Amino acid sequence: KAGVTQTPRYLIKTRGQQVTLSCSPISGHRSVSWYQQTPGQGLQFLFEYFSETQRNKGNFPGRFSGRQFSNSRSEMNVSTLELGDSALYLCASSRAISGRDEQYFGPGTRLTVT
Amino acid sequence: KQEVTQIPAALSVPEGENLVLNCSFTDSAIYNLQWFRQDPGKGLTSLLLIQSSQREQTSGRLNASLDKSSGRSTLYIAASQPGDSATYLCAPIPSGGGADGLTFGKGTHLIIQP
Repeated sequence: KAGVTQTPRYLIKTRGQQVTLSCSPISGHRSVSWYQQTPGQGLQFLFEYFSETQRNKGNFPGRFSGRQFSNSRSEMNVSTLELGDSALYLCASSRAISGRDEQYFGPGTRLTVT
Repeated sequence: KQEVTQIPAALSVPEGENLVLNCSFTDSAIYNLQWFRQDPGKGLTSLLLIQSSQREQTSGRLNASLDKSSGRSTLYIAASQPGDSATYLCAPIPSGGGADGLTFGKGTHLIIQP
């Protein structure tokens, strides 16, 4: 069974640009969550999607948005990039909503904003 | 809001030793708890999931225990190997649902010396 995949693995962007990250969950998983990981703040929850609907959202500005498609694949978009958005972005998938099942993480997308 | 503390923050030991990593959480109303490992620059790998009705879960050389009433979980690593070197993270999942996603501790950075 294939694991969670994320593309691209590495990105370099300039301040003010926007970026879209993609996450393909494990087959059969309907929940996709996104996390930001930085050395200073650790792992922080961005949002969760289940059956194409955003179910939960963390404390991040509106520049961070996402969506989920009917095949459960999810995209995350960050507009007007800031230097502080440089981080490892991780997505996790599970069968059930809101952490009620084992979470499986992808390898992450390393975003560098210059 | 759930807060997670992991002790020790860092640990460096020679291979072959048995290790104990500690995780404490402030809200004992949890549904389950998951342990992960993270290699530098990589995603999280799920190690063990302990459901709230369980007290222990084992996988190979790993054994995790859970004491909900005291808000503690312990990860025991037997006969440590250099390949065990990684950061270990615990994440309790609240019973009321994961509206805030998974809450992670800062992790225990483990180095096993050959």
